[in-house]
Amino acid sequence: GENVEQHPSTLSVQEGDSAVIKCTYSDSASNYFPWYKQELGKRPQLIIDIRSNVGEKKDQRIAVTLNKTAKHFSLHITETQPEDSAVYFCAASQLSGGYNKLIFGAGTRLAVHP
Amino acid sequence: SQTIHQWPATLVQPVGSPLSLECTVEGTSNPNLYWYRQAAGRGLQLLFYSIGIDQISSEVPQNLSASRPQDRQFILSSKKLLLSDSGFYLCAGGKQASIGLHFGNGTRLTVT
Repeated sequence: GENVEQHPSTLSVQEGDSAVIKCTYSDSASNYFPWYKQELGKRPQLIIDIRSNVGEKKDQRIAVTLNKTAKHFSLHITETQPEDSAVYFCAASQLSGGYNKLIFGAGTRLAVHP
Repeated sequence: SQTIHQWPATLVQPVGSPLSLECTVEGTSNPNLYWYRQAAGRGLQLLFYSIGIDQISSEVPQNLSASRPQDRQFILSSKKLLLSDSGFYLCAGGKQASIGLHFGNGTRLTVT
């Protein structure tokens, strides 16, 4: 089955700096890669996703890149703000049969210091 | 839009007691439903998923079971809780024609 590795486990940056979180996946059949943000004690919320037919996707200060050959994808946050502090999870799935069985990485705790 | 309801928000149960967590979905019919567990400081582990009434797939062997008696209802159960069952349980749902997966607010279970 699919296995997703995520690095780093913790990341500390100064406000205004960029943050990069990297994930690798094992199943070459995976074709959908979302990123979720989870604030303390709350539910994960989808912030951006990418499909395997696209190499890069951007939404304001957030971007995701995908390298299918190397089986890794990354989240880039530019101009970080204190409210970006949270745990970020990457995930991978093979969209088939009408369902989306997401396998998650272990998470990255991002701290943005003013 | 789709809304996932979960209850209770927190639960403290003794070892050996039964468990029943309920998840209901609003705003969509015939959703795909999922149960995830998050141990303290860890990632999300997929426990069960369901593509329809009475159609449940289990991802990992464990002390838990799931049922889907109605289209928009997904129940996570245990006959006898273990200490290792403590965690944050999240129900998630998605439309069958859509890739988006939305989570409920979760139930924080502490087994003592």
